Amino acid sequence: DADVTQTPRNRITKTGKRIMLECSQTKGHDRMYWYRQDPGLGLRLIYYSFDVKDINKGEISDGYSVSRQAQAKFSLSLESAIPNQTALYFCATSDGRAAYHGQFFGPGTRLTVL
Amino acid sequence: LAKTTQPISMDSYEGQEVNITCSHNNIATNDYITWYQQFPSQGPRFIIQGYKTKVTNEVASLFIPADRKSSTLSLPRVSLSDTAVYYCLVGVLPSSNDYKLSFGAGTTVTVRA
Repeated sequence: DADVTQTPRNRITKTGKRIMLECSQTKGHDRMYWYRQDPGLGLRLIYYSFDVKDINKGEISDGYSVSRQAQAKFSLSLESAIPNQTALYFCATSDGRAAYHGQFFGPGTRLTVL
Repeated sequence: LAKTTQPISMDSYEGQEVNITCSHNNIATNDYITWYQQFPSQGPRFIIQGYKTKVTNEVASLFIPADRKSSTLSLPRVSLSDTAVYYCLVGVLPSSNDYKLSFGAGTTVTVRA
């Protein structure tokens, strides 16, 4: 969905490096999410935020941190990247005022940790 | 979050109807059923959502029996472009403060010519 953008789209890094993935949205949604997807598996929730400065841990938050300084932006950081964090990362948004339609996903960031 | 069970894969041919059944035996009273579609290397896309009976939109239909312990996503007259992974999710509405999504492995639907 062009309304949710992620940068970079691809990143190769080395073990121990700090990495930041950015997500921006123009949908005006208050809620934002970060997921990771491993080959052949579904998505797993890392962190989510229902408003600016609101941060909640998901299923697999260890090794990750997030920042929500503005409604339209939600960044994910890997403090010290390790190879098993190699995955496809998705950002998503939703409207907390809307009953239906669920989440809108970005195009994904493919991260490789060597 | 209610656990869901759906087939790992399904094969079909162009023009056929595809029905994917999802089991969710421990669905809670305030849970809704939502289906997403995901193409390779893309984020999931919302398809349809329902609470009970039948819901239909321009893409699919969702059938939910009275006991709500299962649901069936129906894709009418599939084409090659419907080849994707389909996820069944059960949980509260997006407007709820308890709103979170938990994706399983999904059902890989392959449509052949």
